[in-house]
Amino acid sequence: AQSVTQPDIHITVSEGASLELRCNYSYGATPYLFWYVQSPGQGLQLLLKYFSGDTLVQGIKGFEAEFKRSQSSFNLRKPSVHWSDAAEYFCAVMYGNKLVFGAGTILRVKS
Amino acid sequence: EAQVTQNPRYLITVTGKKLTVTCSQNMNHEYMSWYRQDPGLGLRQIYYSMNVEVTDKGDVPEGYKVSRKEKRNFPLILESPSPNQTSLYFCASSLWGGAGSPLHFGNGTRLTVT
Repeated sequence: AQSVTQPDIHITVSEGASLELRCNYSYGATPYLFWYVQSPGQGLQLLLKYFSGDTLVQGIKGFEAEFKRSQSSFNLRKPSVHWSDAAEYFCAVMYGNKLVFGAGTILRVKS
Repeated sequence: EAQVTQNPRYLITVTGKKLTVTCSQNMNHEYMSWYRQDPGLGLRQIYYSMNVEVTDKGDVPEGYKVSRKEKRNFPLILESPSPNQTSLYFCASSLWGGAGSPLHFGNGTRLTVT
């Protein structure tokens, strides 16, 4: 069965430090991959997506993600975290018409 | 403003009392979907609709019903709610439901069933 794994439930980083959130998926074909962010009390907002082509994709708010087929991974990165980045982050993979989400990673930013 | 609107934002009810959560989008999107979000489980799809009068089950459809009589509205119906349906619910829509069409989410409905 298709699945998406986010191994880290919580991550805490200092403001200004770099960030990497991990995501692994299981799917036989080339996947369509997404990262969403959820601020408290809000719905999900799309950060970036990968369909094909360049494996390093840029998103909004200074985020980027790299698709690595050999590792079945799509990790999210940001070089310098801001306090406003504190939120929950979801990786998702599209299988046909269905979008399957990972369990989420809660990011805490300490000043 | 383009948006997906869910109502109510918060709802507390008792077991067995029928309820409806409304969802409306003003973007003329073909595709609409309902998810529930539970800690440690992420978002799981309940039902989705590719177009008017076309609905299909997602991963966790038991205990839920939906209807799509018009393009803009996609209500979620719980005929006989139970405590295990206590959750945070999100409605989402997209232009056509495929990979190239990102989902737009509502702000969620927090449901508590006692």
